Amino acid sequence: DQQVKQNSPSLSVQEGRISILNCDYTNSMFDYFLWYKKYPAEGPTFLISISSIKDKNEDGRFTVFLNKSAKHLSLHIVPSQPGDSAVYFCAALLRGSQGNLIFGKGTKLSVKP
Amino acid sequence: NAGVMQNPRHLVRRRGQEARLRCSPVKGHSHVYWYRQLPEEGLKFMVYLQKENIIDESGMPKERFSAEFPKEGPSILRIQQVVRGDSAAYFCASSPPSKGGTGNTIYFGEGSWLTVV
Repeated sequence: DQQVKQNSPSLSVQEGRISILNCDYTNSMFDYFLWYKKYPAEGPTFLISISSIKDKNEDGRFTVFLNKSAKHLSLHIVPSQPGDSAVYFCAALLRGSQGNLIFGKGTKLSVKP
Repeated sequence: NAGVMQNPRHLVRRRGQEARLRCSPVKGHSHVYWYRQLPEEGLKFMVYLQKENIIDESGMPKERFSAEFPKEGPSILRIQQVVRGDSAAYFCASSPPSKGGTGNTIYFGEGSWLTVV
């Protein structure tokens, strides 16, 4: 049973437009949500996170929105750039847990020039 | 990927052999985590270690897999009698002692790709 779900395996966006990556979760005991970016043959790189007590966090071109009632979060990238093309993983951390991140399967973003 | 070093980057083993994957955390980090990524899947937590202690091994298969983080030297993930299903990317991550792992303090290495033939 997947506790963190990314239902879109891929997304294609034009350069300059907004990319919206979605993530759903089932466990209400998640304390922290994170987005990681991963290029092929490399490790994941932390992008942005949000605590479960907030509904929005912004860092430059990246904004994460959390809707706790819907158990849904999304990552917005605007404007999208070709260098953003990568696989994006949503991850969650259980309350009281340390380092035991639960990852979704990822969404492959392609930003076309 | 701020300084977590993994080796080897690629390892090929025949069925039944042993695989040893090494991880040197970021200097000063005392928390180490191992994750596994199977093809077309997300990363799955395996084990969380501090120096000389296993803190959480809830994601480790019960047999053939072991991990250690000795007082001196790198953390080692050891897989005995490998099978084809062990073929995966294995990622090590580390975090500093004071903050533990709240995501933005967890740094991942570049991974070790194990292929079992």
